Amino acid sequence: EPEVTQTPSHQVTQMGQEVILRCVPISNHLYFYWYRQILGQKVEFLVSFYNNEISEKSEIFDDQFSVERPDGSNFTLKIRSTKLEDSAMYFCASSEVTFWDTGELFFGEGSRLTVL
Amino acid sequence: EDQVTQSPEALRLQEGESSSLNCSYTVSGLRGLFWYRQDPGKGPEFLFTLYSAGEEKEKERLKATLTKKESFLHITAPKPEDSATYLCAFYSGTSYGKLTFGQGTILTVHP
Repeated sequence: EPEVTQTPSHQVTQMGQEVILRCVPISNHLYFYWYRQILGQKVEFLVSFYNNEISEKSEIFDDQFSVERPDGSNFTLKIRSTKLEDSAMYFCASSEVTFWDTGELFFGEGSRLTVL
Repeated sequence: EDQVTQSPEALRLQEGESSSLNCSYTVSGLRGLFWYRQDPGKGPEFLFTLYSAGEEKEKERLKATLTKKESFLHITAPKPEDSATYLCAFYSGTSYGKLTFGQGTILTVHP
């Protein structure tokens, strides 16, 4: 069964360092998303991406965050200068069409980011 | 403010003991109500989407229902492998692609 894959599964970084989290969405999917979940808290929306541009971003997604689809298969989330409060599990998700019409939004296993 | 609340926070059942999880929502225009299962350290796994009050969907031992203010996830004769956190989320369309999640119900099924 097709799946969304994310790397790394766990990254430890020092405060102020840049990190890039990578995602390979399901191959025929066109809509891409990043969500995050701080330990013990709700899953939160960060950004949606379609047709090589950001469709929507949350208030969490400030200037320190960026997303990119550098080639036909990868979708990346970059945090330019990490803060302690960026420690969380980051989930990539993808959908073939607008998921609110078809009901299907598929999540990856997540990348756990620990900022020291 | 649009929000979603799940109850109970945690539920412990014996194998075979049926029960229901609740998801109460306040949203100005519901475009879809979603149920996901999340195992520890894993990503949410899609279960159901409901679109209008009165709608029901079933999958194995799970059945999801929707009213104008709540959704229920009914678990019939659960097994230990049903143990997980069950997440409810809605899509309102006010932010493109944004699902708003509840905090989840942690279900533990004992053999």
